[in-house]
Amino acid sequence: NAGVTQTPKFRILKIGQSMTLQCTQDMNHNYMYWYRQDPGMGLKLIYYSVGAGITDKGEVPNGYNVSRSTTEDFPLRLELAAPSQTSVYFCASAGASGTEAFFGQGTRLTVV
Amino acid sequence: GQQLNQSPQSMFIQEGEDVSMNCTSSSIFNTWLWYKQDPGEGPVLLIALYKAGELTSNGRLTAQFGITRKDSFLNISASIPSDVGIYFCAGQQGGSEKLVFGKGMKLTVNP
Repeated sequence: NAGVTQTPKFRILKIGQSMTLQCTQDMNHNYMYWYRQDPGMGLKLIYYSVGAGITDKGEVPNGYNVSRSTTEDFPLRLELAAPSQTSVYFCASAGASGTEAFFGQGTRLTVV
Repeated sequence: GQQLNQSPQSMFIQEGEDVSMNCTSSSIFNTWLWYKQDPGEGPVLLIALYKAGELTSNGRLTAQFGITRKDSFLNISASIPSDVGIYFCAGQQGGSEKLVFGKGMKLTVNP
């Protein structure tokens, strides 16, 4: 059972480039989340989805976009990468009330 | 946005010692969770608490949902080297689909 799978694991982007962070889950969870983790700052919610076709902003959505066309996939798009987006990004999914979230292994992104 | 205050921020202990950490909020939460993150990995759920006053154990870990519903505690007994990592508290408020996370506590265990 794969759980939550994120790709890529590492990426270096130049300022102004764009990329998509992929996230897929095989647990048939309705809830999916994108967090970013900066050193000493915990996890901050970027976007979340309560089901296919439904997305909503979290605490730090600026500079990012998401889509949820299927239950399994929840990609995160960076359109114009900036150094402030250097971080570790985690995707998570949860069933039922969205409480017990399962996390992927993360994508470490550096923008130079 | 809503924040959880997690303390201490870090701890250095000897193998075999117990360690306690807590998480507080100015608001009421309906659910409290504790996660552990190993280096280079995503957080893994340790314990979930759903009822005020609830005390739940998972091996050497014990967590409690505070009576006021504004705090939670995690205790690790007889620490071992593999307990090293960052421990996060998280809470969910009533009617919310989102979890709020604390900033984490970095635990170092000296053999």
